[in-house]
Amino acid sequence: DAKTTQPTSMDCAEGRAANLPCNHSTISGNEYVYWYRQIHSQGPQYIIHGLKNNETNEMASLIITEDRKSSTLILPHATLRDTAVYYCIVLYTGTASKLTFGTGTRLQVTL
Amino acid sequence: SAVISQKPSRDICQRGTSLTIQCQVDSQVTMMFWYRQQPGQSLTLIATANQGSEATYESGFVIDKFPISRPNLTFSTLTVSNMSPEDSSIYLCSGTVNTGELFFGEGSRLTVL
Repeated sequence: DAKTTQPTSMDCAEGRAANLPCNHSTISGNEYVYWYRQIHSQGPQYIIHGLKNNETNEMASLIITEDRKSSTLILPHATLRDTAVYYCIVLYTGTASKLTFGTGTRLQVTL
Repeated sequence: SAVISQKPSRDICQRGTSLTIQCQVDSQVTMMFWYRQQPGQSLTLIATANQGSEATYESGFVIDKFPISRPNLTFSTLTVSNMSPEDSSIYLCSGTVNTGELFFGEGSRLTVL
């Protein structure tokens, strides 16, 4: 699976949009981009995933660049409860769709 | 979506003993995995739990230490054998549904004295 690079930490004011970048320059054509988050002491929570088109759900939006070498997760109105570690992962959802977690971005939402 | 129940949620064990962690999914999942998360670190994949056959282990993990069972599409167990303090960690199971989403249990926090 392709390797990802994320900033170690970010801060965001409550109510503002949180934009979390991820670089995945070695992604291959059949690999998806997944985002998960882990709130302290809990199991990772699925957020969103996409292949090449931008995606939106009730939690977030995923913007993937045209060359697919990077993406941005957008939390449109961050709240204190969005404070967590956010993981960007790329994988091929074939017969061995296992996730390899990097170090993630620790997002701190503040008042 | 899928809901994954893990138990025990936490346990304190003595060195040299073994502990079995159970993972129950409320719907059929195509793939199931076991991860370990040591304090302050990211998740590390231990193995893929294969239904009705031996699990596929990642580098650094062996069946004698972490035997895994998956008798059907909704249930799996991980045993941490002959435990030492270095095995103190959070162990998580996960399952993939056919939409590609992967869901996690809440984890089992193990402390070995």
